[in-house]
Amino acid sequence: DTEVTQTPKHLVMGMTNKKSLKCEQHMGHRAMYWYKQKAKKPPELMFVYSYEKLSINESVPSRFSPECPNSSLLNLHLHALQPEDSALYLCASSRQGQSTDTQYFGPGTRLTVL
Amino acid sequence: AQSVTQLDSHVSVSEGTPVLLRCNYSSSYSPSLFWYVQHPNKGLQLLLKYTSAATLVKGINGFEAEFKKSETSFHLTKPSAHMSDAAEYFCVVRFSSGTYKYIFGTGTRLKVLA
Repeated sequence: DTEVTQTPKHLVMGMTNKKSLKCEQHMGHRAMYWYKQKAKKPPELMFVYSYEKLSINESVPSRFSPECPNSSLLNLHLHALQPEDSALYLCASSRQGQSTDTQYFGPGTRLTVL
Repeated sequence: AQSVTQLDSHVSVSEGTPVLLRCNYSSSYSPSLFWYVQHPNKGLQLLLKYTSAATLVKGINGFEAEFKKSETSFHLTKPSAHMSDAAEYFCVVRFSSGTYKYIFGTGTRLKVLA
């Protein structure tokens, strides 16, 4: 089973709202990732968690706050977003974050900020 | 500098004809190479990967790719295109320098004509 699940599939929020994106995997992977993908562009890495610790933050604005409550779950908390934050947010996981590890992607959450 | 280049942003083929999507990389390190496919409004699905074993890699749905170190290339091919192959394809490189990061190409949109 190589499934990464993400909820919700779609999210519409106002600029003053607080919402969260959720990602889950049950493959025993110890590295998890958040990506942002704008239309017709490749995904851009936002955060990497390795063994439930934040190991990479790609200078993402503080209105995005990641959380890894356990080895299977990854959340992305959203607050005071801007319309330009509208995008497809992809979660991925890999076994340990080694250079040859394969990342498995979820279906994404389509976020619209009004 | 480490980089990956997808030479064609759009490729159109007729159904039943061969597919060639080109990818070149630049690196001082030994790379791991991946091809992912993304159908509209979906996540990324792994097609195949090269991690320093056999240079000809077979993937899902009849796709294959050949790693050519002398040409720093990892082109994706399929003998006969199907309508369901129409999607965005990303070549991804990961270098053995200890980083977790994937480096994505800019993508190639494959159109399959009936």
